Amino acid sequence: DTAVSQTPKYLVTQMGNDKSIKCEQNLGHDTMYWYKQDSKKFLKIMFSYNNKELIINETVPNRFSPKSPDKAHLNLHINSLELGDSAVYFCASSHISGQKFFGPGTRLTVL
Amino acid sequence: DAKTTQPPSMDCAEGRAANLPCNHSTISGNEYVYWYRQIHSQGPQYIIHGLKNNETNEMASLIITEDRKSSTLILPHATLRDTAVYYCIVRLSSGTYKYIFGTGTRLKVLA
Repeated sequence: DTAVSQTPKYLVTQMGNDKSIKCEQNLGHDTMYWYKQDSKKFLKIMFSYNNKELIINETVPNRFSPKSPDKAHLNLHINSLELGDSAVYFCASSHISGQKFFGPGTRLTVL
Repeated sequence: DAKTTQPPSMDCAEGRAANLPCNHSTISGNEYVYWYRQIHSQGPQYIIHGLKNNETNEMASLIITEDRKSSTLILPHATLRDTAVYYCIVRLSSGTYKYIFGTGTRLKVLA
């Protein structure tokens, strides 16, 4: 009964490939997020969806495209992967103004 | 840019109280202070939050100064499992309720 789950946990791929990371929450929250944590351990918000609508879109390359098929899911698709995309990506969910619950993270390595 | 300033690291003896300070001198009147921690490479975990009054839950206590320019997170009896990076965050008060993670304090609990 994991609250926020992500798949895969590890992702190793070549530069130029396209990959997706999936996120699901079973908490009934209306807001979901993607964060990126780079090698220096800075956690930066990338996107947020509230009731399937995009509400936060930070300065992220348009190679990154979030998709929310329903309130419980927020997937992240990345086109033309670059070396600098290597990081740990965390999904999170919350009620719009409440505490965030984070997933276990997906470690992406681009070779 | 993060709206908070924290010491980069602290040590605490096991069984003693860990007091983690945070400065947020530019906080607005209706912005909340949130604390999260990240154990090793796991997803951040919510600890506590407050607006003006001191708060306590099963994990920690939060002391906010009267002028709200700083706060202290207190872990009353630190254990080795409390070793983590602790983030103090000011949550924006409206709209997207976005919050920005700073660099955090790396707390090491020593046996």
